[in-house]
Amino acid sequence: QQQVKQSPQSLIVQKGGISIINCAYENTAFDYFPWYQQFPGKGPALLIAIRPDVSEKKEGRFTISFNKSAKQFSLHIMDSQPGDSATYFCAASRPSNTGKLIFGQGTTLQVKP
Amino acid sequence: NAGVTQTPKFQVLKTGQSMTLQCAQDMNHEYMSWYRQDPGMGLRLIHYSVGAGITDQGEVPNGYNVSRSTTEDFPLRLLSAAPSQTSVYFCASLRGTRSMNTEAFFGQGTRLTVV
Repeated sequence: QQQVKQSPQSLIVQKGGISIINCAYENTAFDYFPWYQQFPGKGPALLIAIRPDVSEKKEGRFTISFNKSAKQFSLHIMDSQPGDSATYFCAASRPSNTGKLIFGQGTTLQVKP
Repeated sequence: NAGVTQTPKFQVLKTGQSMTLQCAQDMNHEYMSWYRQDPGMGLRLIHYSVGAGITDQGEVPNGYNVSRSTTEDFPLRLLSAAPSQTSVYFCASLRGTRSMNTEAFFGQGTRLTVV
């Protein structure tokens, strides 16, 4: 079963716009929610991460919003730039399973100049 | 600092052949994992290790074996390649503790085609 569901599968945004990617999870034992960014031909790299004791975390133009009761979290990219064009993955893991990240299906973002 | 190194970068196998994908990390991380990436499926965990000599199965372990004899190396073995194993394979090492996950560092990937 898909424990982490990500949407949309693809997203096209104009330069300067806001990109929003959503994820929903099922396992209430998850306590670590990272977002990874992947450029073509490269491995994923950590972008930003959140734990459920806070509802929002911001790093530069990137913000994670977390809704524990709805079991949802989202990535917001403000002032989107063509250099942000990449595939984004949300993930989740449990404290007793370090090393066992469960990923969403991925979102391909294209930012048009 | 090399980070996580995967070899080879590309490989073509015939159905039924076996091979080993190599993964090495130089960050002294205790945790290492193997994922496969397929279009529309995201990254799916094949096997992972919480330390030398300790491995466990992930979501899609069938057809793959792993071992962890040293902290640095975590090879993935395909026992008898099948076309369904055509994929991009990523190795990752994680900086974390047994009670708290932190950042996973990924290699550049191995693109495997089974014909």
